[in-house]
Amino acid sequence: DSGVTQTPKHLITATGQRVTLRCSPRSGDLSVYWYQQSLDQGLQFLIHYYNGEERAKGNILERFSAQQFPDLHSELNLSSLELGDSALYFCASSDIPYNEQFFGPGTRLTVL
Amino acid sequence: GESVGLHLPTLSVQEGDNSIINCAYSNSASDYFIWYKQESGKGPQFIIDIRSNMDKRQGQRVTVLLNKTVKHLSLQIAATQPGDSAVYFCAENTGGGNKLTFGTGTQLKVEL
Repeated sequence: DSGVTQTPKHLITATGQRVTLRCSPRSGDLSVYWYQQSLDQGLQFLIHYYNGEERAKGNILERFSAQQFPDLHSELNLSSLELGDSALYFCASSDIPYNEQFFGPGTRLTVL
Repeated sequence: GESVGLHLPTLSVQEGDNSIINCAYSNSASDYFIWYKQESGKGPQFIIDIRSNMDKRQGQRVTVLLNKTVKHLSLQIAATQPGDSAVYFCAENTGGGNKLTFGTGTQLKVEL
């Protein structure tokens, strides 16, 4: 158990819908990272937040957004969902940006 | 229909043998490298890391070697056990510590 929690574990929705994925980092960790793991793209970095501020963006679509709240939990919002958005979404956390990242169990999103 | 996905290279080893998993990284400016293990249905799990000012680092049953000249990273697992069966990813830290770029992964299968 990494100490990072993600909810929900599974999510099934339809094209065009919007969903919110939630992540709670390990106690004391200020950095939260979001990754997408799909069959054809592997593990891709999406976005990084540190203490509530966005620090880096990766291959994140404009339909996706994220935020980190004062209590340090983070949410990833996915809108206008397409079939290709079906993937595993992982959250990771670290105490400071340059240190080891601990991954959560992931949310499996299925878009029908 | 047929699903399209990443074709992961597979390494099959006998229980008790040593395993060597290789990775080529792309960014010569990367200065921090990590190996992750991902078991089916779980998030990536940190194994060992190495910074670019080192050539070798040892952990418990694992050793990481870094060759910056040819941008190559390897993970050696001693006395491989059935519980080592998983997909192994190398990752390089780019963007000043803000994100990880993952390799495509290697499937390690341990045969009894």
